[in-house]
Amino acid sequence: DTGVSQDPRHKITKRGQNVTFRCDPISEHNRLYWYRQTLGQGPEFLTYFQNEAQLEKSRLLSDRFSAERPKGSFSTLEIQRTEQGDSAMYLCASSQQVLNTEAFFGQGTRLTVV
Amino acid sequence: EDQVTQSPEALRLQEGESSSLNCSYTVSGLRGLFWYRQDPGKGPEFLFTLYSAGEEKEKERLKATLTKKESFLHITAPKPEDSATYLCAVQAGSSASKIIFGSGTRLSIRP
Repeated sequence: DTGVSQDPRHKITKRGQNVTFRCDPISEHNRLYWYRQTLGQGPEFLTYFQNEAQLEKSRLLSDRFSAERPKGSFSTLEIQRTEQGDSAMYLCASSQQVLNTEAFFGQGTRLTVV
Repeated sequence: EDQVTQSPEALRLQEGESSSLNCSYTVSGLRGLFWYRQDPGKGPEFLFTLYSAGEEKEKERLKATLTKKESFLHITAPKPEDSATYLCAVQAGSSASKIIFGSGTRLSIRP
């Protein structure tokens, strides 16, 4: 499978718990993005990596959220002390290190905080 | 601030009834405009990239066009399997890294 892979596909957690999601990008892609999407809305930018460097974070990103991309390969997104408002689809995308190029998305992780 | 607005929010068509979806954008230095298709519960699927005003791209029943202020996704003789949410996104010079999305148009095609 040469597409973007995300794990898990679904996660149900209790409020206050920590959760971690994983994204495996397309192998030759240097850029990796995390987005959050709620029902009826378009994806909202969270953060962006070029190789292992986190180059940009959304101003809307709470400090309960942290993302890493060790060795410039897979990435993890951790949410600490989850709140009900964190319930959403978390999408990962990757693209080549070429300006103006499209990003390819994974199938997402659906988080439900109860 | 960079902004992408899509209209209409929802569109219901009869099978075979052609129409257009609109994406208007306000960005400082457009680097690329992208169209995606998204089915319920799935990630967006890439359709087209447009780079400059006047450019057009086609794929099956879909055709995307670009002007300096907006893009259109034309759907010709749609089929029920074209039902999905269509998302428009831009990559702008003010932040060449991130891609900004509109809220999408939910398209429903009745047989």
